[in-house]
Amino acid sequence: DVQLTQSPSAMSASVGDRVTITCRASQGISDSLAWFQQKPGKVPKRLIYASSILQSGVPSRFSGSGSGTEFTLTISSLQPEDFATYYCLRHDTYPWTFGHGTTIEIK
Amino acid sequence: QVQLVESGGGVVQPGRSLRLSCAASGFTFSTYAMHWFRQAPGKGLEWLAALSYDGTRSYYADSVRGRFTISRDNSQNILYLQMSSLRPEDTAVYHCVRDPGRVNEEWLDPWGQGILVTVSS
Repeated sequence: DVQLTQSPSAMSASVGDRVTITCRASQGISDSLAWFQQKPGKVPKRLIYASSILQSGVPSRFSGSGSGTEFTLTISSLQPEDFATYYCLRHDTYPWTFGHGTTIEIK
Repeated sequence: QVQLVESGGGVVQPGRSLRLSCAASGFTFSTYAMHWFRQAPGKGLEWLAALSYDGTRSYYADSVRGRFTISRDNSQNILYLQMSSLRPEDTAVYHCVRDPGRVNEEWLDPWGQGILVTVSS
């Protein structure tokens, strides 16, 4: 199975910071990667699909990029409501797998 | 609007079985593939199983293959997850999610609120 390595697992950041989260696949998955945001006690919310397409309603400070084996989620200017856990999901072939998550905490 | 409502959870002893249901509304259920995901307490997300729109093709995570069965009733707009030989590590909140068959705005959106399954003696 294709493995996903998400980094960092956690980070402290301040409002206004630029934040980047990385997912690396053990083999090429084209653009079959999505990003989810989850706040405590809430269901996951999909932010980005097909590596870089922003879900409607998601603020433009979020962006995704990458293809093949390396992908990034970038938040250009962190806002208070962005403190959450973020997951990547690869869906090129079954079984699908998630990254282990990145928790962004307030510095 | 699109609604996915899971039910059938609860506390079950190790080794026993449980069947989850997911009632779908607000979209043409019979034209969508469906998935089950779960999240153990304090842990990350895990994809479990997928079923084609017509119920003919199913896929499973290694962790549940041979123990869990995904199925659907398109006449009732319900997705099921039959879970057997349950283990304590199956304790989690289980979510059903729709899949239009192509990656677009509707793909894996929204998620049901989830249902808690606790496997404990």
